[in-house]
Amino acid sequence: DTGVSQNPRHKITKRGQNVTFRCDPISEHNRLYWYRQTLGQGPEFLTYFQNEAQLEKSRLLSDRFSAERPKGSFSTLEIQRTEQGDSAMYLCASSPPMAGTGGDTQYFGPGTRLTVL
Amino acid sequence: EDQVTQSPEALRLQEGESSSLNCSYTVSGLRGLFWYRQDPGKGPEFLFTLYSAGEEKEKERLKATLTKKESFLHITAPKPEDSATYLCAARGRASKIIFGSGTRLSIRP
Repeated sequence: DTGVSQNPRHKITKRGQNVTFRCDPISEHNRLYWYRQTLGQGPEFLTYFQNEAQLEKSRLLSDRFSAERPKGSFSTLEIQRTEQGDSAMYLCASSPPMAGTGGDTQYFGPGTRLTVL
Repeated sequence: EDQVTQSPEALRLQEGESSSLNCSYTVSGLRGLFWYRQDPGKGPEFLFTLYSAGEEKEKERLKATLTKKESFLHITAPKPEDSATYLCAARGRASKIIFGSGTRLSIRP
């Protein structure tokens, strides 16, 4: 396993369109996170899954944003009716079960760069 | 509210000139202090996790240390390929980790 993968790497869309991003975590990792990063800032937490259950959501995650993780494997993040302010890098991270060594450490994918015109 | 602050925002060094990056944190019940390296257009690359005050970890020219209020990333005799943004993050009792804004490090040959 080579790490967390994300697709697409880049997405350009027009304002008002819907977009969906996919994240495939490291295979033995049961926890999955989504973050958003804008230029010059650190990543900001959006949401967290343990297996298929969405356990935590940030106030940043408006009702236009939805995330799923069916069967506790890959995850998707959908943004409906995109706005120019949604332009950012969307990062996915995964971490192993807490009982293991380094269970707190999150490993990031390469990100999906979204540009809303 | 949990908070992570990094300084300086940017640092330019000559190749071989050692220095330190600072990360101040206020987190309830610290469950991990993390350092990541991020190259332009890429996701953060994991470097270190520290769990308790006094702990130190090293990797090549980098050494991370932790106190009850701060963490430092020491870089010894840096090379141009060490140029990147270095991110500090902390995890408290919640599942999410809180990131600082990063230090942009530039090493001149």
